[in-house]
Amino acid sequence: AQRVTQPEKLLSVFKGAPVELKCNYSYSGSPELFWYVQYSRQRLQLLLRHISRESIKGFTADLNKGETSFHLKKPFAQEEDSAMYYCALSGTSYGKLTFGQGTILTVHP
Amino acid sequence: GAVVSQHPSRVICKSGTSVKIECRSLDFQATTMFWYRQFPKQSLMLMATSNEGSKATYEQGVEKDKFLINHASLTLSTLTVTSAHPEDSSFYICSAVLLTGSSTDTQYFGPGTRLTVL
Repeated sequence: AQRVTQPEKLLSVFKGAPVELKCNYSYSGSPELFWYVQYSRQRLQLLLRHISRESIKGFTADLNKGETSFHLKKPFAQEEDSAMYYCALSGTSYGKLTFGQGTILTVHP
Repeated sequence: GAVVSQHPSRVICKSGTSVKIECRSLDFQATTMFWYRQFPKQSLMLMATSNEGSKATYEQGVEKDKFLINHASLTLSTLTVTSAHPEDSSFYICSAVLLTGSSTDTQYFGPGTRLTVL
């Protein structure tokens, strides 16, 4: 079975502060991990995936297999980063995603 | 980027009626479409995987006779909620992907359909 846990339902930071959204997973094989973002009144969209090792909108995420984590980080949060963030895992069945519960990030001015 | 549309965006129906929701990939051909259900302030729950030209694969606990899925073409999948009841009220989201086996295959999500059953 595969599971994704995002322990924080809500996260508030001030503009310019660092932000870290936590994600832990449970999966016996070699997973693919993703972060999706949903801005207010918009559809879900891919933010980044671990296999690309890219930085999107200043966000990065490193897969830590030892800790089974894939935390999302940004050194200086911006107000436009306020959104719902979902961590997701793709395991055995290619394409099927298991989502975490989501974290609502609010960046205050 | 690739666009996925859903129709209708919002539907209200009476208990006992059936409702059809369409999911279309507008500018790419999708070998696979997924249907999710999202309850308020909760995560997306995968309901079924829909592959063009074959029967859908349902997740455990999802009634296939209740949620009929048809993937008639590479750009269209439909979800029909049969004999809807108030507990079926939810936000239904589809996603579409062109699976090539590459690590860059990406699921593109539709805007969702809000179903309210009275």
